[in-house]
Amino acid sequence: QKEVEQNSGPLSVPEGAIASLNCTYSDRGSQSFFWYRQYSGKSPELIMSIYSNGDKEDGRFTAQLNKASQYVSLLIRDSQPSDSATYLCAVAAAAAGNKLTFGGGTRVLVKP
Amino acid sequence: EADIYQTPRYLVIGTGKKITLECSQTMGHDKMYWYQQDPGMELHLIHYSYGVNSTEKGDLSSESTVSRIRTEHFPLTLESARPSHTSQYLCASSSLHGYTFGSGTRLTVV
Repeated sequence: QKEVEQNSGPLSVPEGAIASLNCTYSDRGSQSFFWYRQYSGKSPELIMSIYSNGDKEDGRFTAQLNKASQYVSLLIRDSQPSDSATYLCAVAAAAAGNKLTFGGGTRVLVKP
Repeated sequence: EADIYQTPRYLVIGTGKKITLECSQTMGHDKMYWYQQDPGMELHLIHYSYGVNSTEKGDLSSESTVSRIRTEHFPLTLESARPSHTSQYLCASSSLHGYTFGSGTRLTVV
């Protein structure tokens, strides 16, 4: 079992709809959770971070964390073609020196 | 605006050549990382450093080596490049708020 698991996709979403991405992790000691967006051929860029249970909203993005279920999700509202990218879930634990463990990424395709 | 810089952006080099990929950051971060990523594939950690004179191998075995003589500088060296080293190499530095990645070096060994 991988430490951080994501569905590889592609997740096909109509323009204007909500894209829902899921991520599960195995280390119960994980404390910090991040979502990165990576366009093809580019480097990852941080879009959301979340540290406590519940929801965190930033513009069209909402991150949700449930530590009991070891589950973190990302919602993209009003999806735009420019949101088409691979979304990487990353998890850090203090015991690992806060080194990030990345999931394999979910590819999202927003169709006009 | 990027605070972590990688050079060169693209490199095509012949088999057997020695190469050094440069990575510098201006944020004063102690922790820095090198990742290798093939197109459409996962990120693989190959080296990391938690400060000056501290380097560790990552999760993916790599024939490359790194050094950390200054906080801001974390170069990666391949003593003898091979076609199997063809990949994208991404450098990152981190704070408590997450990682910042450089633009990457796309290496092709012919």
